Amino acid sequence: EDQVTQSPEALRLQEGESSSLNCSYTVSGLRGLFWYRQDPGKGPEFLFTLYSAGEEKEKERLKATLTKKESFLHITAPKPEDSATYLCAVQAWDSGYALNFGKGTSLLVTP
Amino acid sequence: DAGVTQSPTHLIKTRGQQVTLRCSPKSGHDTVSWYQQALGQGPQFIFQYYEEEERQRGNFPDRFSGHQFPNYSSELNVNALLLGDSALYLCASSLSSGGSYEQYFGPGTRLTVT
Repeated sequence: EDQVTQSPEALRLQEGESSSLNCSYTVSGLRGLFWYRQDPGKGPEFLFTLYSAGEEKEKERLKATLTKKESFLHITAPKPEDSATYLCAVQAWDSGYALNFGKGTSLLVTP
Repeated sequence: DAGVTQSPTHLIKTRGQQVTLRCSPKSGHDTVSWYQQALGQGPQFIFQYYEEEERQRGNFPDRFSGHQFPNYSSELNVNALLLGDSALYLCASSLSSGGSYEQYFGPGTRLTVT
């Protein structure tokens, strides 16, 4: 059965203090790994898709990387507006089209 | 470019009642998926509709049903509501062709069952 585990559950950073969020996954065959950002009471906002180990994607202060067992979301010099819950999801070839989500990491960036 | 829209925004129902939630996909998308998100949890897959048929279903009881219309919009119906059905219901749209599997989410409908 596909499993997605995100750590830490919560993270508090000072503005400008870089860090990484982890997403560990177990799937029989990875079709894609997806990162989303979710603000309270809102729907998830798509950030990145990674398809194969070694792939990297960047957007502003965010950089996502992928290995065969985990993905990292690196946040460089975060700002308070980066505060949100970051969700990781996997899609497996033998699981159809469903996204299997982790519980998310709640990030708070203080000024 | 219109994104995914959902209605209503909020809904309060009584246990045992029935509810219908609506979703319009992002322009150009032909596939709609529904997810349930409990507080503090990641979204859970309910089902996906493509070409007006249920293409895949998650681990949800038959009380949850859906429909897709010829214009690709979709409805989620939940019968015999339970207190545990209180959650944020998310609709996500995607394009089945083109090799990209990204799903784009709407703002959600917050359902409260009392």
